[in-house]
Amino acid sequence: NAGVTQTPKFQVLKTGQSMTLQCAQDMNHNSMYWYRQDPGMGLRLIYYSASEGTTDKGEVPNGYNVSRLNKREFSLRLESAAPSQTSVYFCASLTSGVSYEQYFGPGTRLTVT
Amino acid sequence: GENVEQHPSTLSVQEGDSAVIKCTYSDSASNYFPWYKQELGKGPQLIIDIRSNVGEKKDQRIAVTLNKTAKHFSLHITETQPEDSAVYFCAASRGSARQLTFGSGTQLTVLP
Repeated sequence: NAGVTQTPKFQVLKTGQSMTLQCAQDMNHNSMYWYRQDPGMGLRLIYYSASEGTTDKGEVPNGYNVSRLNKREFSLRLESAAPSQTSVYFCASLTSGVSYEQYFGPGTRLTVT
Repeated sequence: GENVEQHPSTLSVQEGDSAVIKCTYSDSASNYFPWYKQELGKGPQLIIDIRSNVGEKKDQRIAVTLNKTAKHFSLHITETQPEDSAVYFCAASRGSARQLTFGSGTQLTVLP
């Protein structure tokens, strides 16, 4: 099993450009998450999807949109990138059942100039 | 919403010594408290967790303690090794919501 995969690993955008970050998991998990990680601020939840077909806002959703394409894939879109969106983005999925362990992908380092 | 504070932000210890990282949370309804370890260039990985009906949990050199009354929990690493060097995050959740609120992280450096 590959676990949680993310593409791309690195990306540089200019202000105003758009892009989509891709995430896929092969563990048959229902819930998936997008976080951003900034120095000294831990991980902050952008959006999550409790199950296929549903999405909800997290702590910092402004400037982002998401799509839960199917059970495996959960994408994050920046429609008009801003320098404040420079960050490392992590996707995660949640084990089903009574455990609450989240499995994280390797991250995407995004720089907006 | 939930707020999790984590201290210290950086911690250096000599190899073989113990390390302690502390977190406080604000939401008394939180009942699940995991700790994640993040190595350089990688995503966080769960190392230990505790639920609110338990006061302490151990796994080899790692232990977590929870004080519900004071709303704080701590990570204890004994006999530290260089490979313990990483960023550690605490988190809290009302388990039914399945969302985690993370602390700001602690950079642990184990000096040989």
